Formats: sequence, structure tokens, C-alpha cells
Amino acid sequence: AQSVTQLGSHVSVSEGALVLLRCNYSSSVPPYLFWYVQYPNQGLQLLLKYTSAATLVKGINGFEAEFKKSETSFHLTKPSAHMSDAAEYFCAVSGPNFGNEKLTFGTGTRLTIIP
Amino acid sequence: DTAVSQTPKYLVTQMGNDKSIKCEQNLGHDTMYWYKQDSKKFLKIMFSYNNKELIINETVPNRFSPKSPDKAHLNLHINSLELGDSAVYFCASSQGPGQGPTGELFFGEGSRLTVL
Repeated sequence: AQSVTQLGSHVSVSEGALVLLRCNYSSSVPPYLFWYVQYPNQGLQLLLKYTSAATLVKGINGFEAEFKKSETSFHLTKPSAHMSDAAEYFCAVSGPNFGNEKLTFGTGTRLTIIP
Repeated sequence: DTAVSQTPKYLVTQMGNDKSIKCEQNLGHDTMYWYKQDSKKFLKIMFSYNNKELIINETVPNRFSPKSPDKAHLNLHINSLELGDSAVYFCASSQGPGQGPTGELFFGEGSRLTVL
């Protein structure tokens, strides 16, 4: 079964600093990987996704993630943090099993931005 | 217009009661889901329907019964509520299945259920 592990349930960075949120996956087949963001009292929205095309994926709000098969990782980065980036971030995995869109989510990382 | 809308947003009730949460999507999607998010923010899928047909049914107590009257609606009914049912329940929709696992789910804003 596919799974993802997010290292660090809380990450704090200063405004303007690099954001790095870690995600490692476990999958017996090539995975599809996603990052979702959840702002307070809202539902989740898709930041970006990897579906076996380019290994460096660019998303919304200046975020990007790189798929590294050798490290089984899909870390999320942003060069310069903004106060509006404060939110909960979820990594998720979906197998290439056509027939449903079941996503398995990681436990989430809360990102705090320090002014 | 809200793409995926859930009602009610907040629900406070006593143990043993029965309650329902309604969900509607206006995106024209074929597939809808219910996810449960616990107090530690862990998200777990409960059910998925495609064109009114149940396609995912995770290990969920029988007290939870989803109903999809049409592909734009997916309701969740919960019988005999227990303390452990307190959580935020998210409805979501997607274009799939059959079109590949695009992975883009569109979520509602959640329904916070508190069981006293």
C-alpha cells in the first residue's frame, strides 16, 4: 500500500526565508504525488502535483517540489516565505490504479511564518 | 458560486443522536468523497461515489451511511453518535475515475461535528 511520511509536524521560518517541507513516500509502483494546503477553517486546495512528467513541479503561490526517486522524496520548497503562507500543508499519494481517485494523506505540517 | 458546499458548517449534538451532513458540487464532476479529519488534522477517506455508485468504502462503522441521490449530491448520515465521531468532515469531488488519477480533489469548507 502506498503511504507518505511528513517529517516535522511544525515548521517555523522567518518572513523572506526559504521554506522547506519534507515528504517521503512509500510505493511499490511509480506514484502520483501531491501537495495540498489548508488555510484556517477552510478545505484543502491543490498546490501542485507530480504525475511522472517533469520531476521538478511548479505550483501556485511560488511553491515547487522535486520528485527524487533515489531518495523517495517529494519535498516542497519556496524561496521566500510570505506571511500569507502560514497554513497546514499535506503531502498525498495516489497509485496509478485507474478506477478511483483515492488519495492517502500524510499527517500534515503546520507552517508558521515569523515576522 | 461555491464549487463544493456543505451544510451545516457546525453541528453540536448529544451522544446517541442521529445527524446528517449534506454536500453539493456544481463542478459537473462524476465522483464525490467524504473525508474525516480528526483533532490532530489527520485526513482519512471514508467513502467515494461515482455517478451515484459506491466505489470506495473504507473501514467505517455501519452507523455511517452515505447516500448519493444524484452525481451532484452526496450526503452523510450518522446514527447513534459517539464521542469519537467528533471531527471535521470534508466533502470533495473530482473528475475521475476512468480519466486517470488526476489527484485534484476539490474540497468543501468542512462540517465541524462536536458530540457531547
